[in-house]
Amino acid sequence: QLVLTQPPSASASLGASVKLTCTLSSGHSNYAITWHQQQAEMGPRYLMKLNSDGSHSKGDGIPDRFSGSSSGAERYLVISSLQSEDEADYYCQTWGTGILWVFGGGTKLTVL
Amino acid sequence: EVQLLESGGGLVQPGGSLRLSCAASGFTFSTYGMSWVRQAPGKGLEWVSEVGGAGDSTRYADSVKGRFIVSRDNFKNTVYLQMNGLRADDTAIYYCAKDVGTGNYPDYWGQGTLVTVSS
Repeated sequence: QLVLTQPPSASASLGASVKLTCTLSSGHSNYAITWHQQQAEMGPRYLMKLNSDGSHSKGDGIPDRFSGSSSGAERYLVISSLQSEDEADYYCQTWGTGILWVFGGGTKLTVL
Repeated sequence: EVQLLESGGGLVQPGGSLRLSCAASGFTFSTYGMSWVRQAPGKGLEWVSEVGGAGDSTRYADSVKGRFIVSRDNFKNTVYLQMNGLRADDTAIYYCAKDVGTGNYPDYWGQGTLVTVSS
């Protein structure tokens, strides 16, 4: 079964960097994913598509501070030079047959 | 600029019906699939349904299959979600999303409309 696992919370200081993790279930380690940001009381925003080889393509207007990387079944979202507006929920997403889109449970990022 | 604007949410009793609309602009609407994703209060995102660009292909999550119907009007640049037999666990914010060309993920989202199912 295709499942994405994310830690429920993360925190980092203003101006620092943070690495958020999304783990693909067994047998799906070669899947690409996407990352989405959801600020408080807002709709999600597409950040990037991240491939298994670490290559990624970002959405319109996404700052260079946002990047992605991959290692095995792990997919990472790296945010550098953290700003207060980066405090948000971050969701990873992938796709499969049957159920079209699968989402991770989300990680709530707190900027200290 | 791509814009997606949902409407039609509200309070409905269990067993009732509601139709959501999503008006799209800023892209060639008929070229792209459109999806609905919901978020229950305090919870994560759940994919609900998808309609292909021509409107002749649809898919549903098991949780809504047989109760919800997705459709689109490519002249009005609008996608709809007809929700019947509503249950308390359908309570959520419903987001409209534009599919990327391959349909594998959303690249634009709306702001959402709240559906509350309660007596």
